[in-house]
This record gives sequence, C-alpha cells and structure tokens, in this order.
Amino acid sequence: EVQLVESGGGLVQPGGSLRLSCAASGFSFNIYGMSWARQAPGKGLEWVSGISGNGINTDYADSVKGRFTISRDNSRNTLYLQMNSLRAEDTAVYYCAKKGLERRSPSDYWGQGTLVTVSS
Amino acid sequence: EIVLTQSPGTLSLSPGERATLSCRASQSVGSSYLAWYQQKPGQAPRLLMYGASKRATGIPDRFSGSGSGTDFTLTISRLEPEDFAVYYCQQYSSSHTFGQGTKLEIK
Repeated sequence: EVQLVESGGGLVQPGGSLRLSCAASGFSFNIYGMSWARQAPGKGLEWVSGISGNGINTDYADSVKGRFTISRDNSRNTLYLQMNSLRAEDTAVYYCAKKGLERRSPSDYWGQGTLVTVSS
Repeated sequence: EIVLTQSPGTLSLSPGERATLSCRASQSVGSSYLAWYQQKPGQAPRLLMYGASKRATGIPDRFSGSGSGTDFTLTISRLEPEDFAVYYCQQYSSSHTFGQGTKLEIK
C-alpha cells in the first residue's frame, strides 16, 4: 500500500525558513517522480515543485522559484522541500504526491498534508 | 504558463442527476495531458481521470472525461451522495497547473 507522510510544518515568522519532509513507503521510491502542492486556507490547489526519480531534474512554480528547493534521498525514501524567505502568502497545507512512471504524469497518490503558517 | 479556467464555479444538483464540469486551457495541453481530481473537506485530493479520458484505479464508471487541445469535460452520469465535493483539473503538459476548482453541491 502506498503511503506518504508529511512532517515539518508549523509556525514560522516572515523571512524565516522551514524544511518539510515526506516519508514514502509501499512503492519503489527511486523510480517515481514526486511533487509538492499546496492549498491556502479556503483556497484551491497550487502546484509548487516537482523532481524526477533520480533527483536530477527539478521544476518550480514561479511563485516559489529562488526561495524553495526540492530534493530527495532515495536511500531514505524521503522527499524534502526546503523553504526560505517565507512570506505570509506561503501559508498553506503542503501535500507531497507521487507521480506516475511517465515523465509527464499526474499525481496518483497524495499524503494528508502538513500545515505551514507564516506569521509574526 | 498554461492557465486553466474551470466552469461553473459552483454547480448545484440533486442525487441521480448528471453533472458536467468544464476546464478550458489557455493553450493546447498536447496529447491530452489533463487530469481531474476530487477533493472533499479535510481530505487530500484524489486522482479521478488522467490523459483526459482514462479512469484512475478504483474510480467508478459513472465518471468519464473527454476533450482534447484546450477544452475538456468531466461528466458524472448519475450523482451519488458521495460525489458532492470540489473538482480540480490539472495540466501536466508544460510543467503543472491546476484550475481554480468547481464546487459540486447538493441542491
């Protein structure tokens, strides 16, 4: 059974940093691309970042480019999102999601999310 | 960036009725790199459709998708009580973007 468990969310001041983790199990983690998406309170979904199975190729939404870094440790079956220079508008539930095998794939499994609140 | 526009914003229907949700892209999403997700309150999104018309694992056949290029449709043939939720389309042709969502509510 595919399981994705996010952690690392919490309250952080504007300008601060936070690192999210996503522990994956139930599938061959190293061959699947992974993504982060977020959802601000009461709002819709926003794709944030994606990474290939080998970690070489990454992609970012314009709203986070230069501030967020996606990475993965295939030996630990864990996905990360390093978030720097956080702003109030980054407040959201952050979801990690597994993609399909193809390079262009939707997200077929999602974690339950971790809440990040950026406030002074 | 490909922008997805969903309509209507809210759809009010009764169980047993047919629901038709629309998603329009600002430019072609290629060979139908278009997915649909369902999200219920307090839950993570669930993949319903991919490749515009392929049902994801475990999705009942009352859900169907169609379209190509820039215009796509999700149809629910006979609404069940558990289908009332928010639905998002997503393109994965050029990076990834989501539509703003359609809320399907009980009339």
